[in-house]
Amino acid sequence: DAGITQSPRHKVTETGTPVTLRCHQTENHRYMYWYRQDPGHGLRLIHYSYGVKDTDKGEVSDGYSVSRSKTEDFLLTLESATSSQTSVYFCAITKDRGANNEQYFGPGTRLTVT
Amino acid sequence: DAKTTQPNSMESNEEEPVHLPCNHSTISGTDYIHWYRQLPSQGPEYVIHGLTSNVNNRMASLAIAEDRKSSTLILHRATLRDAAVYYCILSLRANNLFFGTGTRLTVIP
Repeated sequence: DAGITQSPRHKVTETGTPVTLRCHQTENHRYMYWYRQDPGHGLRLIHYSYGVKDTDKGEVSDGYSVSRSKTEDFLLTLESATSSQTSVYFCAITKDRGANNEQYFGPGTRLTVT
Repeated sequence: DAKTTQPNSMESNEEEPVHLPCNHSTISGTDYIHWYRQLPSQGPEYVIHGLTSNVNNRMASLAIAEDRKSSTLILHRATLRDAAVYYCILSLRANNLFFGTGTRLTVIP
């Protein structure tokens, strides 16, 4: 199994509070991704990173920011959480960006915004 | 991006082969066909991928139609641990995997 951990695994927070989710990898892969998964939508890409300090937006980036100061860590921040951000969040990594690469996923973080 | 069409659900008896179909009639020449699965309460798990030729690995086989407009994921002997949602995805780049809603596979003991 790829060495990907996510923390926290579960979090309940109130509307308007900031929240940071952490993804940590031990594979030294260059690319890291944040997805959210909601019923009826499959997984949707929020942001991704193609190197330290290099990030870009995905399909559903509004309300989220990311940072990557080290190869192994990719942080997802909700500056002011809203109920619509209640979801399960998955981190993923790939060695390279080409389509001939498989993604490895973390175990997920279940976030509830009340 | 090219889209895929999968049945919402399928059932299989344990220890029998399972053929999970995927249609992708608008596939481009450089799209790879990826399959992932997601077991309950877990993150997605890579299964297999291919471009033109059929592919085999320890988990499954991928059969790709000659015109590449469809593909089939084959689990040779379904086990209860194979019960999951299976996603068929087309991708030009690893940062461009669009997951749909997949096929929910139920394995009957």
